[in-house]
Amino acid sequence: DTGVSQDPRHKITKRGQNVTFRCDPISEHNRLYWYRQTLGQGPEFLTYFQNEAQLEKSRLLSDRFSAERPKGSFSTLEIQRTEQGDSAMYLCASSSGQTYNSPLHFGNGTRLTVT
Amino acid sequence: SQQGEEDPQALSIQEGENATMNCSYKTSINNLQWYRQNSGRGLVHLILIRSNEREKHSGRLRVTLDTSKKSSSLLITASRAADTASYFCATDPYGQNFVFGPGTRLSVLP
Repeated sequence: DTGVSQDPRHKITKRGQNVTFRCDPISEHNRLYWYRQTLGQGPEFLTYFQNEAQLEKSRLLSDRFSAERPKGSFSTLEIQRTEQGDSAMYLCASSSGQTYNSPLHFGNGTRLTVT
Repeated sequence: SQQGEEDPQALSIQEGENATMNCSYKTSINNLQWYRQNSGRGLVHLILIRSNEREKHSGRLRVTLDTSKKSSSLLITASRAADTASYFCATDPYGQNFVFGPGTRLSVLP
């Protein structure tokens, strides 16, 4: 179990640029989640995959945000035309989904700063 | 609006003391989970309690759940400096995704 890894750890970008983050879940996990967390707050749900299918998407996820999980393995989260309000920690988590109550295993996140 | 709300927002105690954090939620749930987050890191799962359970223990952790009051508590006994972190409760009101509260920031002073 190598854990959930996220890349990059930090990203600084200028407003209006596009950014892409990658998440590699625990290999046998079929569920993958993206959350966003701002300072002093809890994680906010963005989207969720079961294998390669994106099953749920938060209303927080504007059309500038897109996530993919080709082949049901790693996932990418892209933000187009970044805004200063997008500055946050983006967390990826995976779970086995073998039971309804499977806990989430989080990566250490990608911290995005939009200047 | 958030499903879960932890209370207090911040808690400062001396090493060796017990720390109690509470979580209240709004809609019915299947289970409730507690997570810990150290500064700048991802969240780590601590314990899960199902809606038909009332109390659960794991090492120095004790979690209770009162579904009639829609509330849960996390007790950390004999706290250590290493317990300094933010603690979040997470519920599953909508099925497969988990909703987190704003967290309790715990500081354990040596």
